[in-house]
Amino acid sequence: NAGVTQTPKFQVLKTGQSMTLQCAQDMNHEYMSWYRQDPGMGLRLIHYSVGAGITDQGEVPNGYNVSRSTTEDFPLRLLSAAPSQTSVYFCASRKGIDYEQYFGPGTRLTVT
Amino acid sequence: EDQVTQSPEALRLQEGESSSLNCSYTVSGLRGLFWYRQDPGKGPEFLFTLYSAGEEKEKERLKATLTKKESFLHITAPKPEDSATYLCAVQASTNAGKSTFGDGTTLTVKP
Repeated sequence: NAGVTQTPKFQVLKTGQSMTLQCAQDMNHEYMSWYRQDPGMGLRLIHYSVGAGITDQGEVPNGYNVSRSTTEDFPLRLLSAAPSQTSVYFCASRKGIDYEQYFGPGTRLTVT
Repeated sequence: EDQVTQSPEALRLQEGESSSLNCSYTVSGLRGLFWYRQDPGKGPEFLFTLYSAGEEKEKERLKATLTKKESFLHITAPKPEDSATYLCAVQASTNAGKSTFGDGTTLTVKP
């Protein structure tokens, strides 16, 4: 199993550009989440999904969109990048609410 | 609103010097408390899940315990390879799919 994969690993955007961060998992997990991690801080939840076709907002959803058309994929879209979105983004998946999360390697995003 | 506070922010130990990390939480119905380890430039890796007060879990030099208000991660005779950031997260019974993370404790173990 590849586990949770994320692409790209690094990205530089200019203010106002849009892009999609890709996330895929091959463990048939129903739950998937996107987090951002800023220096010296823990993980803040952006959006999450409890199954294909079902998504909901986390604590910092503004400026981001998600969709979940398949169990495997959970892309995160930045609509109009802003410097405040400079961060490291982690995707995670888990079997269910009582289970641990498996994290991808992260995407380091810089917005200039 | 669920809250998780970890202390200290940073901890420096000599090799072999045992200590504990604290995770205090406020949650509306605890479903589970999770400990993760994060190495620089990598995603967090799962260590333990605790579900009810009084529960303990052990793995090598690490032992996690849980009360109704906090969890401790005890590190016995640490080695330099235990250096990492340790994250605590809670899952509430009322917020399906949402986990709340603390800011982490960065542990440095000097040889």
